[in-house]
Amino acid sequence: QSVLTQPPSVSGAPGQRVTISCTGSNSNLGAGYDAHWYQQLPGTAPKLLIYDNTNRPSGVPDRISGSKSGTSASLAITGLQPEDEGDYYCQSFDSSLSGWVFGGGTKLTVL
Amino acid sequence: DVQLVESGGGLVQPGRSLRLSCAASGFTFDEYAFHWVRQAPGKGLEWVSGINWNGASTGYAESVKGRFTISRDNAKNSLYLQMNSLRTEDTAFYYCAKAREGEWLLWPFNSWGQGTLVTVSS
Repeated sequence: QSVLTQPPSVSGAPGQRVTISCTGSNSNLGAGYDAHWYQQLPGTAPKLLIYDNTNRPSGVPDRISGSKSGTSASLAITGLQPEDEGDYYCQSFDSSLSGWVFGGGTKLTVL
Repeated sequence: DVQLVESGGGLVQPGRSLRLSCAASGFTFDEYAFHWVRQAPGKGLEWVSGINWNGASTGYAESVKGRFTISRDNAKNSLYLQMNSLRTEDTAFYYCAKAREGEWLLWPFNSWGQGTLVTVSS
């Protein structure tokens, strides 16, 4: 059971929009700690996709966006492309655990 | 370009020890915090440990506290993870990850190595 809760899977057709939720608690997202998102494509290492809730590292397209409100965060991908297929993880710091925590991961399938 | 290359993984019996290394290049190593993150085959990511820029501050997941020790050698641009009393549940790919800045508690992980596989089995 992960400290941050994500849906196990989401799917969408090419060109559509999908969102992935990440629900935490008052010791992580609700305490003001930022949400970060990572993309892991099949057979590769994770890659930072969104940091500090809403910011994109250079090279990440603007069709990918993040938001945060209270104890939850969300990742949105518009204009879905086949190469978006992979696993997505949210992350935050947890003050009760004094450490970093990840969500359980969401598998994105492009139909 | 940032490069992080892990090594030291392999097959080890339960109760034994293993030391992982991560060789860094392409940036000023001693300006950044680092982490170890693991992923059991077919499972999600689990943060293992973090260390700040000068090694003075470290943190560990409860699952490894007292058994694993993170360290760094800034002169050698290297990060290490000493793993003692290994258990079968420690079997995973272990990734070295660089933080965006120097403190391990504050910044996301903006570069990752390709990982090294540790298998704990008799």
